[in-house]
Amino acid sequence: DAGVTQSPTHLIKTRGQHVTLRCSPISGHKSVSWYQQVLGQGPQFIFQYYEKEERGRGNFPDRFSARQFPNYSSELNVNALLLGDSALYLCASSPGTGNQPQHFGDGTRLSIL
Amino acid sequence: KNEVEQSPQNLTAQEGEFITINCSYSVGISALHWLQQHPGGGIVSLFMLSSGKKKHGRLIATINIQEKHSSLHITASHPRDSAVYICAVPHLGGGADGLTFGKGTHLIIQP
Repeated sequence: DAGVTQSPTHLIKTRGQHVTLRCSPISGHKSVSWYQQVLGQGPQFIFQYYEKEERGRGNFPDRFSARQFPNYSSELNVNALLLGDSALYLCASSPGTGNQPQHFGDGTRLSIL
Repeated sequence: KNEVEQSPQNLTAQEGEFITINCSYSVGISALHWLQQHPGGGIVSLFMLSSGKKKHGRLIATINIQEKHSSLHITASHPRDSAVYICAVPHLGGGADGLTFGKGTHLIIQP
């Protein structure tokens, strides 16, 4: 079975632009979480979606938004990109809610010039 | 928000040594995760535990809920164990799915 897949794997943008990152969860998983990992730091929680509803949000500005589709795939959108948005963006899926192991994709490395 | 502290930040050891990585958190939780991250970014879930001890091969994870502390041990360490080990807890301390991560312990096992 395919694991969590993220696209694209790498992306270069300039300040002020907009970006959309995509995530396909493991088949049968209904929960998707997004994380931002800046070089040298642990991942930071951005959003969690379950059954197309937002279940949790980290301390990120409104420039960050996300949604989940009926097939449980998800998009993370970032507007008005800043240099500080350069990071590895990770997606994780789990079967449902509650305490369950999370399965991570390989991430999208976003560089802002 | 749950605060997570890991120690040490960096650890270099010789092959065969017994390794211990520690994790403390600030808000009571229902479960704690240990994860492994290799260079390039891929994260693998090692353990999720809510009490006592779990063992998988040479890896052992323990948790003391009352003291808000967990440890990850590696027995008979091997160079292939070199990676970043990260402790994570539920973001809001209650059972929400999003995780709050520690900064990680960068482990290098030398042959």
